[in-house]
Amino acid sequence: GAGVSQSPSNKVTEKGKDVELRCDPISGHTALYWYRQSLGQGLEFLIYFQGNSAPDKSGLPSDRFSAERTGGSVSTLTIQRTQQEDSAVYLCASSLAVGTPLRGEQYFGPGTRLTVT
Amino acid sequence: GDSVTQMEGPVTLSEEAFLTINCTYTATGYPSLFWYVQYPGEGLQLLLKATKADDKGSNKGFEATYRKETTSFHLEKGSVQVSDSAVYFCALDAGGTSYGKLTFGQGTILTVHP
Repeated sequence: GAGVSQSPSNKVTEKGKDVELRCDPISGHTALYWYRQSLGQGLEFLIYFQGNSAPDKSGLPSDRFSAERTGGSVSTLTIQRTQQEDSAVYLCASSLAVGTPLRGEQYFGPGTRLTVT
Repeated sequence: GDSVTQMEGPVTLSEEAFLTINCTYTATGYPSLFWYVQYPGEGLQLLLKATKADDKGSNKGFEATYRKETTSFHLEKGSVQVSDSAVYFCALDAGGTSYGKLTFGQGTILTVHP
């Protein structure tokens, strides 16, 4: 079946502009995660959604970052007033329910490469 | 807080050589441990996992044993192939209030030459 898809694959934006990154998880996966991969910081957790529970936003680096998940499926990560340090690859992942033996088995999308000029 | 430390890379080996990539972790509670791999041009994918002390995860000839006494989860393969060239990430799920979130190491670039 289809894996996790993300769009766009590449995004170049000017400093100060807002961007939206989209993630389509694997059908039936109730948990969805956003990570950021950058040269200086490695792979960092940003936010995760589990079913209808309130999202865990503990990894968001500033209030310029937000995310939502509509209908328990598609998710959008929004970065407002982008800065050069936001340049990174943004990865989305999904998994079956968190509280199971499959804990930690996440399926990753190809990522969106964001470049802020 | 929770953290994962991997050996510095890059690692360059000849085909059929033995591979070890060291990984140590710091976590409260009883984490699950993972190795993820990112092949060139592909997304991150799970390679193997172990959920409790002394468990051994294995896949595609790779192995790693969960050692609670040394807080380690070193990745090994007896004979690497050119197709194993990739970036390898050690990760943990600490559970508790961190349930579901993966904490990753910095990644180790492996290049295997024919």
